[in-house]
Amino acid sequence: AQKITQTQPGMFVQEKEAVTLDCTYDTSDQSYGLFWYKQPSSGEMIFLIYQGSYDEQNATEGRYSLNFQKARKSANLVISASQLGDSAMYFCAMRVQGNTGFQKLVFGTGTRLLVSP
Amino acid sequence: DVKVTQSSRYLVKRTGEKVFLECVQDMDHENMFWYRQDPGLGLRLIYFSYDVKMKEKGDIPEGYSVSREKKERFSLILESASTNQTSMYLCATKSRGVYEQYFGPGTRLTVT
Repeated sequence: AQKITQTQPGMFVQEKEAVTLDCTYDTSDQSYGLFWYKQPSSGEMIFLIYQGSYDEQNATEGRYSLNFQKARKSANLVISASQLGDSAMYFCAMRVQGNTGFQKLVFGTGTRLLVSP
Repeated sequence: DVKVTQSSRYLVKRTGEKVFLECVQDMDHENMFWYRQDPGLGLRLIYFSYDVKMKEKGDIPEGYSVSREKKERFSLILESASTNQTSMYLCATKSRGVYEQYFGPGTRLTVT
């Protein structure tokens, strides 16, 4: 089964500290990709970072990095130097091949991050 | 910047009504998607379209249909709304050949 698991319903972090949001995945595909999206209270999903299954280097985008451990099937998001504006819901997602041959995204249940001053 | 707009941020409908949710994008993307988001379940794919007049069922298509008559517009239709369709509905678009999807602001639908 193609599945994303986010085991942390909520996380708290103090401003300027780093935080790691966990994501594990399950797929039998050889080619896949992992995404992280941020959803502030406004509701819009914002793309943060992407890692392909064949990428050897961990993806980084500014303060975001993806800790990709293929053997463990994990794709954790690391946010360095947290800011108050990072308070939001964070979703891990996986690009998979659907039954019809088209690619689709499978999402986890999300982690709510709260950054305190 | 990609702009994806949805016709309403909040919508309240009665059981049995026919409901139309509209999504419009301005980036000429080939692929468009409809998801619903429920607490504890994440986002689940309802339908997607890879070209005008083309559609594919997602993971939870029951009770929904879609229409894509023009490239920029993708409509989600609830033929006879039911209370279990109360949810947040998110539209997304993607260009062929890239992986990331771009989302609209969402429509929070309440069916009473």
